[in-house]
Amino acid sequence: GQQLNQSPQSMFIQEGEDVSMNCTSSSIFNTWLWYKQDPGEGPVLLIALYKAGELTSNGRLTAQFGITRKDSFLNISASIPSDVGIYFCAGQTGAGNNRKLIWGLGTSLAVNP
Amino acid sequence: GAGVSQSPSNKVTEKGKDVELRCDPISGHTALYWYRQSLGQGLEFLIYFQGNSAPDKSGLPSDRFSAERTGGSVSTLTIQRTQQEDSAVYLCASSMSGGQGYTFGSGTRLTVV
Repeated sequence: GQQLNQSPQSMFIQEGEDVSMNCTSSSIFNTWLWYKQDPGEGPVLLIALYKAGELTSNGRLTAQFGITRKDSFLNISASIPSDVGIYFCAGQTGAGNNRKLIWGLGTSLAVNP
Repeated sequence: GAGVSQSPSNKVTEKGKDVELRCDPISGHTALYWYRQSLGQGLEFLIYFQGNSAPDKSGLPSDRFSAERTGGSVSTLTIQRTQQEDSAVYLCASSMSGGQGYTFGSGTRLTVV
């Protein structure tokens, strides 16, 4: 089946550092989504990307939809303690009733104050 | 309500018993999804509803798992004869038809002892 390779699996950084994580696939996607999951909660959508090459920012977060449509990255600038959590990428194929999300396994981020 | 509501938030059950997990999606969201997340793992797709029908139930792990949705709203995931490997967090998400990105509930943490 379709697979997403998300890396790194985990990161431990100092407060104020920038963070970068990415997802790659052998498949083409029409949408890329980035989610964050806090402990005991469901994932929350951070950024959605709809076009190849699209670069989108949301505060300190920046994400890009790779030009080949097979990859995406998420950057977090000037990390703060509340950035701690698990970040998931998801690639979407199909449309309407055939829409399907393929999920990465997550990047666990720890921030040392 | 404003968000996706799942109940119970925690469930401990004895091996072999049946359990029912409930999801109340956001009002007006026609698409509903069930996922399973094992400890430290990514999201495992179980089933997708569009209205009351399930165009994709390919992720249900065995015939012990079933789900239904009534009135285009509430969904119930039933696990019969629970096994210890069923222990996980069960997440529900909903979206507008054709909408990008899902809104997740906080999940039901199921522990089979």
